Amino acid sequence: DIQMTQSPPTLSASLGDRVTITCRASESVIDWLAWYQQIPGAAPKVLIYKASTLKPGVPSRFSGSGSGTEFTLTISSLQPDDLATYYCQQYNKYPWTFGQGTKVELK
Amino acid sequence: HLGESGGGLVRPGRSLRLSCTSSGFTFADFPMSWVRQAPGKGLEWIGSIRTQFWRGTTQYAASVRGRFTISRDDSAGIVYLQMNSLKTEDTGIYYCTKGNEYFDFWGQGTLVTVSS
Repeated sequence: DIQMTQSPPTLSASLGDRVTITCRASESVIDWLAWYQQIPGAAPKVLIYKASTLKPGVPSRFSGSGSGTEFTLTISSLQPDDLATYYCQQYNKYPWTFGQGTKVELK
Repeated sequence: HLGESGGGLVRPGRSLRLSCTSSGFTFADFPMSWVRQAPGKGLEWIGSIRTQFWRGTTQYAASVRGRFTISRDDSAGIVYLQMNSLKTEDTGIYYCTKGNEYFDFWGQGTLVTVSS
């Protein structure tokens, strides 16, 4: 199975900060990677797919980049609604696998 | 919209069937998947079912293969998750999702608790 490793596990930041989360795959997933946001008590929702394609309706402060084994999710200016846990997920090879999550909290 | 039902408390070794009803899109045109989340833990893909164009073929995670079965009723817009031989480690919130690769839309989830 492809292992997805996110860093950091927890990220403390201030409102307005630029935030970057990293996701590394144990082998190349090309660009078949998605990012999800999960607010406590709610279902996850997809933010980005194919590594860098923003789902329509998702704020433009979110962006994704990378290919192969290293990917990043960036929030250009952290907003209160962004306090959540973020997961990456590869869909290059079965079984689809998720990272362990990165919790973004206020400093 | 996706809405799961059928969760609850069940003894180890017993069975449970979850249902997920859809609305707002042409259900038959889309693959569907199930993803679960153990209490306080991350996300785990369980399995997916393709459309009838692809013969409704299924894929499963190793942790549930042989115990869980996904099926679909396109006329009713429902996807099912039949769970047999349940184990305590199957406890969690089960989400129905639209999509087979990345998960485009999620239901609110239904809680399954496996305990004696």
